[in-house]
Amino acid sequence: AQSVTQPDIHITVSEGASLELRCNYSYGATPYLFWYVQSPGQGLQLLLKYFSGDTLVQGIKGFEAEFKRSQSSFNLRKPSVHWSDAAEYFCAVGTISNFGNEKLTFGTGTRLTIIP
Amino acid sequence: DAGVTQSPTHLIKTRGQQVTLRCSPKSGHDTVSWYQQALGQGPQFIFQYYEEEERQRGNFPDRFSGHQFPNYSSELNVNALLLGDSALYLCASSLVDRANSPLHFGNGTRLTVT
Repeated sequence: AQSVTQPDIHITVSEGASLELRCNYSYGATPYLFWYVQSPGQGLQLLLKYFSGDTLVQGIKGFEAEFKRSQSSFNLRKPSVHWSDAAEYFCAVGTISNFGNEKLTFGTGTRLTIIP
Repeated sequence: DAGVTQSPTHLIKTRGQQVTLRCSPKSGHDTVSWYQQALGQGPQFIFQYYEEEERQRGNFPDRFSGHQFPNYSSELNVNALLLGDSALYLCASSLVDRANSPLHFGNGTRLTVT
């Protein structure tokens, strides 16, 4: 069965500083990987996804993630954070069937706090 | 273009009661999935519906049931509510038969069981 580990429960970063959120996955086949962001009281917004091809994936809001098969990782990065980036971030691995994304398995999330 | 809409936004129920949550998928989508997000946790997959049938189910008891209507909207029903059912329930829609169709999530229904 697939699983996702986000080792950092809470990260605090100064505005303008760089950011890296860690994600490790366990999956028997080629993984389909996602990063979602959730603001308080809101649903999940897709930041980026990896299905195949280039291992460096660009997403919305200036985020990018790199798939490293050898390390079973899919870390999220941003070169310069903004106060509006404060939120909860979830990494997920998806199983795919003929129906498309069948289901996602999420990590427990990383809460990002931005300080001025 | 309307996204995924869920109703109600908040709900308070008593242990033992039954609850129904509703979801309208994003325009053009035909598949609906439900997730439960307990406080401080990541979402957990409950089940997925396509063509009015349950296609895949997560590790949830039979107290959790669902339905999909011909217009692709969906309901999640929970019977015999327990305190542990308190959570944010998220609905997500996607498009079947389209490879790599990402999920679009609604803002959720916050269920509190007292």
